Amino acid sequence: DIQMTQSPSSLSASVGDRVTITCRASQSISPYLNWYQHKPGQAPKLLIYAASSLHRDVPSRFSGGRSGTDFTLTISSLQPDDFATYFCQQTSSTPYTFGQGTRVDI
Amino acid sequence: QVQLQESGPGLVKPSETLSLTCSVSGDSITNDHWSWLRQPPGKGLEWIGYIHYTGSTNYNPSLRSRVSISIDTSKKHFSLTLTSVIAADSAVYYCARVTVDFWNGYYPYYMDVWGKGTTVIVSS
Repeated sequence: DIQMTQSPSSLSASVGDRVTITCRASQSISPYLNWYQHKPGQAPKLLIYAASSLHRDVPSRFSGGRSGTDFTLTISSLQPDDFATYFCQQTSSTPYTFGQGTRVDI
Repeated sequence: QVQLQESGPGLVKPSETLSLTCSVSGDSITNDHWSWLRQPPGKGLEWIGYIHYTGSTNYNPSLRSRVSISIDTSKKHFSLTLTSVIAADSAVYYCARVTVDFWNGYYPYYMDVWGKGTTVIVSS
C-alpha cells in the first residue's frame, strides 16, 4: 500500500494567516492526490483534485502544489470558515490511502 | 444537487454482520463509481472499496475476505456488508461518489460527494 505522511497533525493559526499543510507519498503517485476539508458532523468536502485543480465553488484562497512525491495544500489567508480538519488522499492505485489529517484551529 | 445518506444499525454484536445502505438523491446512480470508507475513533480514514453501477467492484485487500458492496439501481442505493465484525470495526462509516475526470492527460479519481457518516459500534 502507498503510505501518505501528512504534517503537521495540528496547527494553531489566526484569521488572515497563510497556512501550508504537507503530504508525502511513499512512492510516485503522479498527480493523483486530492485534498479534503472536514468539519465535525458534516460530510467531507473536496477542495483540490489532481494535486492542483480547484474543485468547483472552492474559494481561490485554497491552492495545491506538487514537487515529486511531496504535495502541499496552502490557504493564502485563513478565514473563520476554514477552521477544520484537512486530509490528503492518493488515488494513484488501490487501496486508496489517506494522510492522518491536520486539524487547523485558533 | 447530489446528496448521499447512510443508514443502518448503530450497534452490531461481535461476530455478526454489519449492513449499511447509502441512498442517492439528486443524481443518477448509473454514473461513476460509489464508495464506502470508514474512520475509527482517533484514527485516519480507511477506504473500504467501491462499486461501479455495472456491478464491478474493487475492495481493500485488508477487508476483502469480509466485505461486499452491492448496488440496486432501481432503488438508487448501494450497500455495504461486513461479516464477522470485531471491536476494531467500530467507526464512522461514510459513503461517497467517486468521479473520474480527464485533466492534462491524466484520469484522476476523486470523491466529490460524501454522506455525513453514520456511527457503528461493535459491542455485545
